Amino acid sequence: AQTVTQSQPEMSVQEAETVTLSCTYDTSESNYYLFWYKQPPSRQMILVIRQEAYKQQNATENRFSVNFQKAAKSFSLKISDSQLGDTAMYFCAFMIGGAQKLVFGQGTRLTINP
Amino acid sequence: DGGITQSPKYLFRKEGQNVTLSCEQNLNHDAMYWYRQDPGQGLRLIYYSQIVNDFQKGDIAEGYSVSREKKESFPLTVTSAQKNPTAFYLCAGPAPTDTQYFGPGTRLTVL
Repeated sequence: AQTVTQSQPEMSVQEAETVTLSCTYDTSESNYYLFWYKQPPSRQMILVIRQEAYKQQNATENRFSVNFQKAAKSFSLKISDSQLGDTAMYFCAFMIGGAQKLVFGQGTRLTINP
Repeated sequence: DGGITQSPKYLFRKEGQNVTLSCEQNLNHDAMYWYRQDPGQGLRLIYYSQIVNDFQKGDIAEGYSVSREKKESFPLTVTSAQKNPTAFYLCAGPAPTDTQYFGPGTRLTVL
């Protein structure tokens, strides 16, 4: 069975700082995808960034980037120049290629302070 | 939201009653999904459907039922057999690049 673990229940940083959220996963599959979703107070789930397991290059989306360590099964999210609007729950998620199920971690509550 | 709409936003139910949550999509998706979110938890898959008149159980299907009579609609019924139904329910549809778009969700509270 696939599992996703986020070991940081809560984090808090000052505006403009850089913050890194941790995620580890467990699978025996070789074809899979990893995601970070953001859930602000509105509770709408929003895709932040996506990584294919076969790609060695780490994905980036503006201020968001990942550190994908396949051998270690680690997938951390770095937010640079953090903004007040980044305050949200962040979920790491995993999907086997061709499958229909997203497997989520427990989430990290991130607060950006002014 | 990828064209996924859910209603109502808030729903209250008495113990022992069945209740149906609506999920509609306007993007001609073949696949649709239902997830449950508990406080401080990630999402867990309840049911999913890949085509009209067909659906599969997810990880926590007990106490729930679904139907897929039309491509645009995938309603979820929370039955009286679900022992702890109070939760936030999210419907999703497929998105480009092997991910999913989520609807705005329905908050169900059992009184």
